[in-house]
Order: sequence, then structure tokens, then C-alpha cells
Amino acid sequence: KAGVTQTPRYLIKTRGQQVTLSCSPISGHRSVSWYQQTPGQGLQFLFEYFSETQRNKGNFPGRFSGRQFSNSRSEMNVSTLELGDSALYLCASSPGPSGGQLETQYFGPGTRLLVL
Amino acid sequence: DQQVKQNSPSLSVQEGRISILNCDYTNSMFDYFLWYKKYPAEGPTFLISISSIKDKNEDGRFTVFLNKSAKHLSLHIVPSQPGDSAVYFCAASGTGTASKLTFGTGTRLQVTL
Repeated sequence: KAGVTQTPRYLIKTRGQQVTLSCSPISGHRSVSWYQQTPGQGLQFLFEYFSETQRNKGNFPGRFSGRQFSNSRSEMNVSTLELGDSALYLCASSPGPSGGQLETQYFGPGTRLLVL
Repeated sequence: DQQVKQNSPSLSVQEGRISILNCDYTNSMFDYFLWYKKYPAEGPTFLISISSIKDKNEDGRFTVFLNKSAKHLSLHIVPSQPGDSAVYFCAASGTGTASKLTFGTGTRLQVTL
């Protein structure tokens, strides 16, 4: 089975621009979660989608948004980029949304975003 | 407010010895804990987990201990191997938060020859 794929792997943007990152989950997985990793904060939960619906949301401003398509692929969008948005963005897929399946949450390699 | 804390950013251990990675949490609603291992340029991979109804879980060379009263968990790796060199994250999940994980900031483990 192919793993979680994320595109692009690297991205450079300037302040004020917007960016869209893509995540393709493992085949058959219907839940996708997004995390932001920065050196000082570790991994922080952004949001989770299941069956095209957002089920959980972290404490990020409204500039961060996401969506999920009928094929379970997910995108996240960050508008009006700030320098502090520079980070590694990770997505993780799992078969379903419920707790107890956290061990089956598989992470992609991430998209490294640099905001200049 | 960091609800899951890994106070040691790095740890160096000799091959064959025990590695002990520590993690503290503040949220008493957390009831499920996991450890992840992360190599550079890769996403975290699941290592071992423990439910709050247990105080120990073993899987091969890896053992996780949970002290609920102290809100502390630790990961023991015995014996440590050079391939264990990576960043280790502990993560926690609580009732009602489903698959939302709260991660610590990570500990970089280096296993030396």
C-alpha cells in the first residue's frame, strides 16, 4: 500500500501570499488530520476531516482552513502568510475518526513551508 | 500553554545502554498516550502507546511507563541501538477529542557507538 503523500514537499512564499498544500491519504483511509511542526512548539493540531466534514479544530486563526474531497484527499490553505507560518506541515491519515485508532494514524513526510 | 512537555530537548546514550525519555502532561482529561519516532525528512511513525488504565506497556525493546498521579510518562529503550537515533515525540489524547493528538516538543536521542 502506498503511504500518505504530500505535495509539494518544499515551498517558498512571501508575506501576504496564500498557499495551498495537498495530502493524499492511504487508500481506504477516510480521516485526515493536519499538524504544524515548529522547533519551539513541536507538533500542533490544526484540524481533522472525515467524510468531507471537519470534526476537530485546533487553536489556529481563521487564516488556516482546510477541506476534504469525496476521494478523501485533503487540502489546507493558509491565507495572508506571516513569517511565523514557516513550518513543516504534516498530514496524517487513519481509517476512521474514532479514538482507539490513533495507532493507525500514519503521517506523511510533510511540506516544508518557508515564508520570506 | 504547553499541555504536554518534554523537558529534555536532547539525550545521548551509548549503544547497549538504556535510554529513558520523559514526558509530563498537565491536562487530567488525557487518557491515552503515544510515543512517536521521527527521522529527518520523514513523518513521525507510531512506536508504542498506553491507556490510562495501565501503568506499563511493553513491546520488544520499548517499554512505556505511566504515572497518572504524577502526570508523567516515560519511554525506556533497552538495549539502545544506533538506529534508534531520532527525535521522539510523546503525544496525548483525551476523551471527546477523538483523534486530536497533543504533542510534546520532542527529544532528540543520539545513540553513540
